[in-house]
Parts: sequence; structure tokens; C-alpha cells
Amino acid sequence: GENVEQHPSTLSVQEGDSAVIKCTYSDSASNYFPWYKQELGKGPQLIIDIRSNVGEKKDQRIAVTLNKTAKHFSLHITETQPEDSAVYFCGPYNQGGKLIFGQGTELSVKP
Amino acid sequence: DTAVSQTPKYLVTQMGNDKSIKCEQNLGHDTMYWYKQDSKKFLKIMFSYNNKELIINETVPNRFSPKSPDKAHLNLHINSLELGDSAVYFCASSEILGNQPQHFGDGTRLSIL
Repeated sequence: GENVEQHPSTLSVQEGDSAVIKCTYSDSASNYFPWYKQELGKGPQLIIDIRSNVGEKKDQRIAVTLNKTAKHFSLHITETQPEDSAVYFCGPYNQGGKLIFGQGTELSVKP
Repeated sequence: DTAVSQTPKYLVTQMGNDKSIKCEQNLGHDTMYWYKQDSKKFLKIMFSYNNKELIINETVPNRFSPKSPDKAHLNLHINSLELGDSAVYFCASSEILGNQPQHFGDGTRLSIL
């Protein structure tokens, strides 16, 4: 079945620094790659996504890059702020149309 | 104006009991899902329904029975609750099935005593 690996599992940065989280997947048929942010006591919320016909997408301080050949995609957060502290999940879809979540990355931004 | 709402937010009950969690979405989406998040934050799909029809059933024990009375509602009934059922259950919806953003509710924390 689909194998999704997300690294690192925890990440601590100083406010203003950048953070990068990487997701590796195994299903070569995957063509939709979202990132979700989960705050404490809340459900996951989509923050950015990319489709396989695009290599990079940016939305203000957040960007996602995709390398289909190597089967990985990454979340980049620049100028981090304390409110960026949360758990982040990648969630590529497999060929069967199912969202397969990565293991999550707990990001902590220290003021 | 909550998009995906689930009730209750917390559910504490004894082993062996039967309980239900309700979910409603007001986004006009065709597809709804149930996910389970364990104590290590791992999120796994349980079921998905498209226009009231079961599409995905992820080898969940048959003590779990989803029911979709209409495409805006997907309820989850659990029989004979076990300790291992303790988790946070999330409902979600998407416009159509597959390769679409999903909108999640805020979860139901189920604790089995």
C-alpha cells in the first residue's frame, strides 16, 4: 500500500527563522499534494496544496515544492511566528483516491 | 456558520457501551469522511461516503457503523466500545471524491473508562 514518510517529527525554531518539512511518498500515481495545519483542540486545516503539473507554489510566507521524480514534496515557512506553532501533516492522495497522512511534524516557534 | 460540525466534542463512557457521534456539513459537498487520530497524533481514514453511498471502508471493525441519511450528514455509531477505541474522531468533507481539499470538523474526543 501507500507509504508516506514525513520528517522531521519535531522541529523547534526561533521566531523569524525558516522551517522546512519534507514528505516522501511511494505511489507514483499520486497527483495532488496538500499540507494541513492542526492547532491544539482543532481539526486539520488545509494551508497549501500543489498538483503534479506544478513544481512550486507560494502563498505569502508559505510555499510548497514538489519533486515528482524523487517522489517528495516539502513545506517551507519563512519568517516564522509563534502562531505558526502547530502540528503539520502532509497528505498525498493515493491511486484509490484516499488521503494518506504523514506522521505529523510538531513545529514549535520560540519568541 | 461552522462548515463541518460534529457533536459531541467530548464523550466519556464505559467499556461495552454503544455511542454515536454526529456530523453535519453546510458546504454543499458530495463527499464526507471519518478519520481516527490516535494518541501519537497519527490520522487514519476510516470511511468515506459519496452522495450517501459508502466508498471507502478501511477494514474498520464492524462494531463501527457509519450512516448517511443525506449527503450533508454522516454519523458514526460504535457498538460494544473497547479501551482501544479511545481516540479523537474527525469528520471531514470535500466537494467531490478524490484529489480535493478536505474540510475538517474540530473532532470528538472519545474516552473509554
